[in-house]
Amino acid sequence: GAVVSQHPSRVICKSGTSVKIECRSLDFQATTMFWYRQFPKQSLMLMATSNEGSKATYEQGVEKDKFLINHASLTLSTLTVTSAHPEDSSFYICSAPARAGARGEQYFGPGTRLTVT
Amino acid sequence: KQEVTQIPAALSVPEGENLVLNCSFTDSAIYNLQWFRQDPGKGLTSLLLIQSSQREQTSGRLNASLDKSSGRSTLYIAASQPGDSATYLCAVCRNTGKLIFGQGTTLQVKP
Repeated sequence: GAVVSQHPSRVICKSGTSVKIECRSLDFQATTMFWYRQFPKQSLMLMATSNEGSKATYEQGVEKDKFLINHASLTLSTLTVTSAHPEDSSFYICSAPARAGARGEQYFGPGTRLTVT
Repeated sequence: KQEVTQIPAALSVPEGENLVLNCSFTDSAIYNLQWFRQDPGKGLTSLLLIQSSQREQTSGRLNASLDKSSGRSTLYIAASQPGDSATYLCAVCRNTGKLIFGQGTTLQVKP
């Protein structure tokens, strides 16, 4: 089946630094990818929709200048957490629809655990 | 605004029991509903996907039903095993492809 990978799987950084997380669709093309955030003991919350070749769309309450999303190719979307702070520590997960059009089954990456000290 | 609620939040059962996890949603205008499994510290594993026009889906010991008009879905697990211990998440998909997740039900199956 289709696979979505994320890199890194785990990252620890100091407060004030920026961290880039990559999401790749390994054997299929994804014009759309989704980024989610999961705090401990909580469910996944959609942060933004990444669109290949155009700007990402952000959910209400998500700062677009803090969470920079770049979808430069049909297989890669990146999320950069700029000037990270301890409250940004979370589990970040991306997903990509199995077929064009965004709806239908989605494949999820294994997640990236970010810890900001 | 679509809200997804899962009941119970946690469940502990002895091995071999049949069990039902519940998911309700407030807006019936959904494209599909999906059930996922999440192990601690891990990503999501897709279990079942029910299109809005379907009533149920089955995979092995799992059966998921959907009643869109009443905004409800259930995940039925037959003959539970310790390996079924995990958090189960339901998510409704809107026409945009965005998934709205419930808070999850954490299941523990005791040997």
